[in-house]
Amino acid sequence: QKEVEQNSGPLSVPEGAIASLNCTYSDRGSQSFFWYRQYSGKSPELIMFIYSNGDKEDGRFTAQLNKASQYVSLLIRDSQPSDSATYLCAVNRPYSSASKIIFGSGTRLSIRP
Amino acid sequence: DAMVIQNPRYQVTQFGKPVTLSCSQTLNHNVMYWYQQKSSQAPKLLFHYYDKDFNNEADTPDNFQSRRPNTSFCFLDIRSPGLGDAAMYLCATSSRDRLYNEQFFGPGTRLTVL
Repeated sequence: QKEVEQNSGPLSVPEGAIASLNCTYSDRGSQSFFWYRQYSGKSPELIMFIYSNGDKEDGRFTAQLNKASQYVSLLIRDSQPSDSATYLCAVNRPYSSASKIIFGSGTRLSIRP
Repeated sequence: DAMVIQNPRYQVTQFGKPVTLSCSQTLNHNVMYWYQQKSSQAPKLLFHYYDKDFNNEADTPDNFQSRRPNTSFCFLDIRSPGLGDAAMYLCATSSRDRLYNEQFFGPGTRLTVL
């Protein structure tokens, strides 16, 4: 079992709709959860992080965390063509001496006009 | 603006010819990381520095070395690049002073091995 799992996609969503991206993780000790956006050929860009159960909203983005189910998701409202990218879920590795995080392989999101 | 800078952005080397990639940061973060990312894969942590303390991942090949001469700079040395080392190399930083230690990435260096 991978430590962080994501559906690779591609996930195709019409412009203006809600895109829902999901991620599961294996280590119950993990406490911090991150979503990065990565455009093709570019480096990852942090867009959200969450640490408490429930929802966290930032503009069009909402991160949701359910520690009991070991599940974290990202909702993108009013999807725009510029949201087309790969979204990487990352989870902190607990008990490490420094702030190490483990990445999923990413979900490729395509917003169709 | 505070940022993470990587040079060069693109590097072409020959099989077996040593190469050095550099990373600098103006964020004054105490942790610096090097990741390798191949196409359609997750970034893979190679090693990290917490201040001057070097931490190697168990599966990082000996071919990869790193130096951190001061807080701002970190280097990745690939002693004898093979074709399988062609990838994007990402530098990231974080601060242990921040509660959730989020990592910030530089633009990356794309390495091609001929």
